[in-house]
Amino acid sequence: AQRVTQPEKLLSVFKGAPVELKCNYSYSGSPELFWYVQYSRQRLQLLLRHISRESIKGFTADLNKGETSFHLKKPFAQEEDSAMYYCALSRGNYGQNFVFGPGTRLSVLP
Amino acid sequence: DGGITQSPKYLFRKEGQNVTLSCEQNLNHDAMYWYRQDPGQGLRLIYYSQIVNDFQKGDIAEGYSVSREKKESFPLTVTSAQKNPTAFYLCASRDHSYNEQFFGPGTRLTVL
Repeated sequence: AQRVTQPEKLLSVFKGAPVELKCNYSYSGSPELFWYVQYSRQRLQLLLRHISRESIKGFTADLNKGETSFHLKKPFAQEEDSAMYYCALSRGNYGQNFVFGPGTRLSVLP
Repeated sequence: DGGITQSPKYLFRKEGQNVTLSCEQNLNHDAMYWYRQDPGQGLRLIYYSQIVNDFQKGDIAEGYSVSREKKESFPLTVTSAQKNPTAFYLCASRDHSYNEQFFGPGTRLTVL
C-alpha cells in the first residue's frame, strides 16, 4: 500500500541552524513527491516538488529512490520558517490523487 | 478574489443528521478533492473528482457522499453513517499542468 511517513511530529531548531525534515514513502510505481507547508492562519500550499528540482525559500529536497526518501533541507533556518510541513505522494496512472504524511511541526527558535 | 472557497467555516450538527459542506473554485481546474484532517494523522483523502459527473472514492469514503454537477462545485455530504465525523475538512483543486493542489480554508465540523 502507498504510504508516507514523517517520523518527527515536532522539530525545534535555533535560528541559523540547519534543518532537515524527514520523509519516507512506499510506492510500487514511479513516485512524484511534494512538500506542502501551512503557515499560521494561512492555507496549505505547495512548497516544492521533486520534479522541478528547485529551491524555494532556501529549501531543497532530493528524491532518493534507493532509500525511498524525500527529506526537506535548509542550511540556515529562519523564524518565518516555523510552520507545519507535510510530505505528499502523487499516485495513480496519471498522478491524479495523493497521499499525505502526518506532518512535522517546525519551530525555529530565536 | 480567485481561488477556492469553503463554507461555512464552522458547522455544528446533531447526531443522526446529514450535513453538506460547500466547496467552490474559480480556477478552471478539472480535478477537485476532499480531505479530512485530524491531529497527528495529516490529510486523508475522502473523495476526488477528475471531471464533471465523475468521482472516485478515496481512502476513507465510508459515511460520505459527493456530487460533481458543475466544474466549479464539489459539495461533500457527511451522512449519519459516518461514525466519527467531528474533524477539519479541506477541499482542494488541482492544476493539471503542474500537478499542484490548491487548498481552501477548511470547514470545522463538530457533531454534538
